[in-house]
Amino acid sequence: GQQLNQSPQSMFIQEGEDVSMNCTSSSIFNTWLWYKQDPGEGPVLLIALYKAGELTSNGRLTAQFGITRKDSFLNISASIPSDVGIYFCAGRQGGSEKLVFGKGTKLTVNP
Amino acid sequence: DVKVTQSSRYLVKRTGEKVFLECVQDMDHENMFWYRQDPGLGLRLIYFSYDVKMKEKGDIPEGYSVSREKKERFSLILESASTNQTSMYLCASSEDRGVLGNTIYFGEGSWLTVV
Repeated sequence: GQQLNQSPQSMFIQEGEDVSMNCTSSSIFNTWLWYKQDPGEGPVLLIALYKAGELTSNGRLTAQFGITRKDSFLNISASIPSDVGIYFCAGRQGGSEKLVFGKGTKLTVNP
Repeated sequence: DVKVTQSSRYLVKRTGEKVFLECVQDMDHENMFWYRQDPGLGLRLIYFSYDVKMKEKGDIPEGYSVSREKKERFSLILESASTNQTSMYLCASSEDRGVLGNTIYFGEGSWLTVV
């Protein structure tokens, strides 16, 4: 099946730093979703984007739906140790109920 | 809040056993999904259902079947478990919002080990 190109694969940062990750595709999507997964748990929805150009925040998290509808990014500001985990992007193409997922960005935050 | 509940968090089964993974959602969602997650392979869709008694194959349906007799419940069945089905299984659900776009909510996951 199709997958999204998510980068970077992993990040090691110091507490307090800002983080940016993105997902790209060769196809157009009409929904972009960002999830966080803690070890041994299911993914938890962080932000949902439904319109091209949409910029949405959830606390220290900000995500944008790219104008071309082929990409999305997630920023985390002033990282803290509990931000550690794997962040997934997911996209939905028009007319489909199924999501396409990126392979995840593993974030490590050093105190 | 949306609640997707998977009945078993950790299971150990023997090769050849029939395995049932149960999932219940409490938000009256039309769509339900079963994924498996493996290191390096990400999330892969096994089956999904968009209505009671309706099902569609995902990307990796071989070796699996599903059952949706009630709207809130979606079961994944491994007819004869094999070691290559050792994995984390994730159930998910979403509301049918058509062109408005849907948001998928996941359960906590079921870790299955086949020995």
